[in-house]
Amino acid sequence: DIQLTQSPSSLSASVGDRVTVTCRASQPVINYLNWYQQKPGYAPQLLIYSASSLQSGVPSRFRGSGSGTTFTLTISGLQLDDFATYYCQQSFVTPLTFGQGTRLEI
Amino acid sequence: EGQLVESGGGLVQPGGSLRLSCATSGFTLGDFGVHWVRQRPGKGLEWVAGISSNSANADYADSVRGRFTISRDNAKNSLYLQMNSLRPEDTALYFCAKEPYSEGIMKYYFDLWGQGALVTVSS
Repeated sequence: DIQLTQSPSSLSASVGDRVTVTCRASQPVINYLNWYQQKPGYAPQLLIYSASSLQSGVPSRFRGSGSGTTFTLTISGLQLDDFATYYCQQSFVTPLTFGQGTRLEI
Repeated sequence: EGQLVESGGGLVQPGGSLRLSCATSGFTLGDFGVHWVRQRPGKGLEWVAGISSNSANADYADSVRGRFTISRDNAKNSLYLQMNSLRPEDTALYFCAKEPYSEGIMKYYFDLWGQGALVTVSS
């Protein structure tokens, strides 16, 4: 199975900050890497697919990059609505796997 | 955009069975691959199973293979998860999730999720 390791596991930031979350895969996944945001009590929402494509309706302050084994999610100009947990997920091969999550808090 | 609504969750004893349903609306289910993803209390996301648009292909996580069966009825716009031989570690919130449109090719990521059905396995 492909293991995804996110860093950091938690992150404190302030409104207006720029933050970066990293996801490392245990083997190359080309660009089959996706990012989700989950708020407490809610289902996850797709932010970025195929490493760098912005899902429709997602603000442009979210940006994904990377290929192979190392990927990043960058949020520029943090807003209060962005404080949530973020997960990466590989869609290269089954079993599909998720990172352990990065909790972004104030 | 569409909607997914899970049902069928509840409390079941270890070794018991439960069938989850996911009712879909706002889109043609037969055009999309769909999956079940679970989240244990306070934990991260875990893919459980997925099925192609025409039911030709289904796949499972090793942790549930042989115990869980995913199925779909496109005419009824519904997805199912039959869960047998349940274990305490199957306790989780179970989400159904759909893939984006891809002309029959599975994409293996999820652009729409339901709100989840809670399954508790305990004596």
